[in-house]
Amino acid sequence: GEDVEQSLFLSVREGDSSVINCTYTDSSSTYLYWYKQEPGAGLQLLTYIFSNMDMKQDQRLTVLLNKKDKHLSLRIADTQTGDSAIYFCAESNGYSGAGSYQLTFGKGTKLSVIP
Amino acid sequence: DAGVIQSPRHEVTEMGQEVTLRCKPISGHDYLFWYRQTMMRGLELLIYFNNNVPIDDSGMPEDRFSAKMPNASFSTLKIQPSEPRDSAVYFCASSPTGAAEAFFGQGTRLTVV
Repeated sequence: GEDVEQSLFLSVREGDSSVINCTYTDSSSTYLYWYKQEPGAGLQLLTYIFSNMDMKQDQRLTVLLNKKDKHLSLRIADTQTGDSAIYFCAESNGYSGAGSYQLTFGKGTKLSVIP
Repeated sequence: DAGVIQSPRHEVTEMGQEVTLRCKPISGHDYLFWYRQTMMRGLELLIYFNNNVPIDDSGMPEDRFSAKMPNASFSTLKIQPSEPRDSAVYFCASSPTGAAEAFFGQGTRLTVV
């Protein structure tokens, strides 16, 4: 079945850039997502990218997709202490003939920002 | 819109008791998802609905788990009887028709003792 892998921890200094990496196995993935989960809260959709794109930028966030290698990354520029959270990579194949429509999540990367 | 609303936020119950978790999706969203999050297994999809109809419940772990969506603005996830291994955070999420986005509630932290 589908699998999404992420490293579990990342520490960066405030003001530096953070890069969170993710790999996935489903070659039919249509959409790839990044979610943020702050302590005690639900998941918040940060950004997503369609599989026919290789880059998407949204303010301090840059998503890079290497479809050949099935590798997705999230870069956070000028990382702030408020960025400390768990970041989840997820993939979806959208609609299919079988009616499947669901997200497969990685286990999350805990980002710690050191002041 | 207030977003996806789940209740209760926290639930502590004794083993063997029935537990009901509730969810109000975002108005106009035709898809509703129930997820379970644990440290060991991460986020797992339990079941999802489209237009109030259960489409895929293959993630529901056992017959002790059941989910309903009696109307477009309400869904429940019931565990009967509950067991300590059911302790987890349960998330509800909703998504608009045709769009590949899911908006999550804040979750219900269930502890079964």
